Amino acid sequence: GAGVSQSPSNKVTEKGKDVELRCDPISGHTALYWYRQSLGQGLEFLIYFQGNSAPDKSGLPSDRFSAERTGGSVSTLTIQRTQQEDSAVYLCASSLKPGANNEQFFGPGTRLTVL
Amino acid sequence: AQSVTQPDIHITVSEGASLELRCNYSYGATPYLFWYVQSPGQGLQLLLKYFSGDTLVQGIKGFEAEFKRSQSSFNLRKPSVHWSDAAEYFCAVGTGFQKLVFGTGTRLLVSP
Repeated sequence: GAGVSQSPSNKVTEKGKDVELRCDPISGHTALYWYRQSLGQGLEFLIYFQGNSAPDKSGLPSDRFSAERTGGSVSTLTIQRTQQEDSAVYLCASSLKPGANNEQFFGPGTRLTVL
Repeated sequence: AQSVTQPDIHITVSEGASLELRCNYSYGATPYLFWYVQSPGQGLQLLLKYFSGDTLVQGIKGFEAEFKRSQSSFNLRKPSVHWSDAAEYFCAVGTGFQKLVFGTGTRLLVSP
């Protein structure tokens, strides 16, 4: 079946512009995660959605970052007034159920470059 | 707070040689433990996981990992490395309904 998909695969933007990154999780997966992978760094947790519960936003680095998940499916990560330090690969993952004991399936990522 | 340490940033192994990638975690109780692999331009793929029971777990692609509580370690091993194993490997730890915490990764290079 289809895996997690993300779009665009690459995004180049100018400093100060807003960007939107999209994630389509595996159908039926209730949990959705966003991570950021900067050069030479591990995966940095950003935000976690579980069903209709309030999202865990504890990893968002600043108020320029926000995310929503519509209808419990597709998610959009928005970065406002992008900065050069926002350049990274943004990964989305989904799991069938919440909780660390459920395998997270990752998308291919969106590579964001802020000039 | 949970943390994961992968002390080796890069490792080079000859094709056919054995491999061990180190992972140490910090957490009070026994967490769920994972190894993921990321090939160039690809998303992360789960290699194996440990929740409880037998401390030696088998994964895909001939990998195995051993949980050692006394050392807070979950090292990944493979007896004979193939060129296609060249990738970045991430150890992760989680518990309950909390998010996973990932290490910074180890990049594996395979020499002919």
